[in-house]
Amino acid sequence: NAGVTQTPKFQVLKTGQSMTLQCAQDMNHNSMYWYRQDPGMGLRLIYYSASEGTTDKGEVPNGYNVSRLNKREFSLRLESAAPSQTSVYFCASNPRSNQPQHFGDGTRLSIL
Amino acid sequence: DAKTTQPPSMDCAEGRAANLPCNHSTISGNEYVYWYRQIHSQGPQYIIHGLKNNETNEMASLIITEDRKSSTLILPHATLRDTAVYYCIVRKGGSEKLVFGKGTKLTVNP
Repeated sequence: NAGVTQTPKFQVLKTGQSMTLQCAQDMNHNSMYWYRQDPGMGLRLIYYSASEGTTDKGEVPNGYNVSRLNKREFSLRLESAAPSQTSVYFCASNPRSNQPQHFGDGTRLSIL
Repeated sequence: DAKTTQPPSMDCAEGRAANLPCNHSTISGNEYVYWYRQIHSQGPQYIIHGLKNNETNEMASLIITEDRKSSTLILPHATLRDTAVYYCIVRKGGSEKLVFGKGTKLTVNP
């Protein structure tokens, strides 16, 4: 019963490198989300996908792109990583947008 | 979405009830109150949510005042594993967004 799986768990990048964070859910959920969490802060929504084939910007989308590859998978891409993007990234999903979200365990990303 | 105000930290003795308050004085009629918690550096975990009536599940109880301007999350018998940051979130029905504040750091002491 995996729930929401994020890969990798840890990653170190150099400024300017590109990276794709992967997220997959096995609960047949329609909606998926990407958040970032900075030290001492709550989570902030980067992008979300209300259903397969749709994506929308959240609170802090600049510097990121997303792909809803299929119903199970929602990836987050950093095209040119910047130190300000050092953060913990969480993926979440729910059956529909008005229902509780289930979160993965996060990807810890450091950009030097 | 309405803003919420929570105390930054609270302590509770193991085995006692933990009562976590949340003020949401600007809540509107179609906004739900959600509670999540985050243990150490794990992903947030859903606890409970409600609109008007009090709610109870296997994890906790949620008490919402009659005017809906505040609520209390109750963990009836806190354990050390309940030490976490607890987030109170107000969310519109049908909205995709969860807006996380800084939450309350609950420490359960032996």
